Amino acid sequence: DIQMTQSPSSLSASVGDRVTITCRASQGISNYLAWYQQKPGKVPKLLIYAASTLQSGVPSRFSGSGSGTDFTLTISSLQPEDVATYYCQKYNSALSFTFGPGTKVDIK
Amino acid sequence: EVQLVQSGAEVKKPGESLRISCKGSGYSFTSYWISWVRQMPGKGLEWMGRIDPSDSYTNYRPSFQGHVTISADKSISTAYLHWSSLKASDTAMYYCARHFGGELISWFDPWGQGTLVTVSS
Repeated sequence: DIQMTQSPSSLSASVGDRVTITCRASQGISNYLAWYQQKPGKVPKLLIYAASTLQSGVPSRFSGSGSGTDFTLTISSLQPEDVATYYCQKYNSALSFTFGPGTKVDIK
Repeated sequence: EVQLVQSGAEVKKPGESLRISCKGSGYSFTSYWISWVRQMPGKGLEWMGRIDPSDSYTNYRPSFQGHVTISADKSISTAYLHWSSLKASDTAMYYCARHFGGELISWFDPWGQGTLVTVSS
């Protein structure tokens, strides 16, 4: 089965900073990757699908890129409301929808 | 509005059985798969398995196969997650999520509000 890794596992940044989270698949998954945001105590929310397509209603400071095995989620200007754990997920197979381990983002 | 509404929190003893539910509304329930996702306390998201409500075809992550059963009743637009014998290690938040996208290539949106299952003697 394809494994998903994320780095870093946590980060602390200042308001206004550019933040980048990396997700790596153990085998190529084309662009079949989604990103989710889970704020503390809340339900996961879809941010990005097809590696780079922003879900409707998601602020434009969020962006995604990548294809194959390496992907990134970027927050161009970190805001206090972005404090959350971010998960990537592969969906290249109808038999498996594995999530990455998550990256926790805090405000410095 | 597309919504998934899950059943309420449960407290059970080891060895007991349990079924939690996820009711879809605002869309054609049989047109989209439903997945279940586990989140153990303080941990990440784990995909458990999915069902096609149109024909009840299921597939499971191997580590969950045989321990849980996913089913659906399309007449009432509801999917279920069932345990026949709970363990303390089943204590977790469980989310249902609707697949969206293509027939075989699909991400999760929206998610249910979650059902907290606590298993303790």
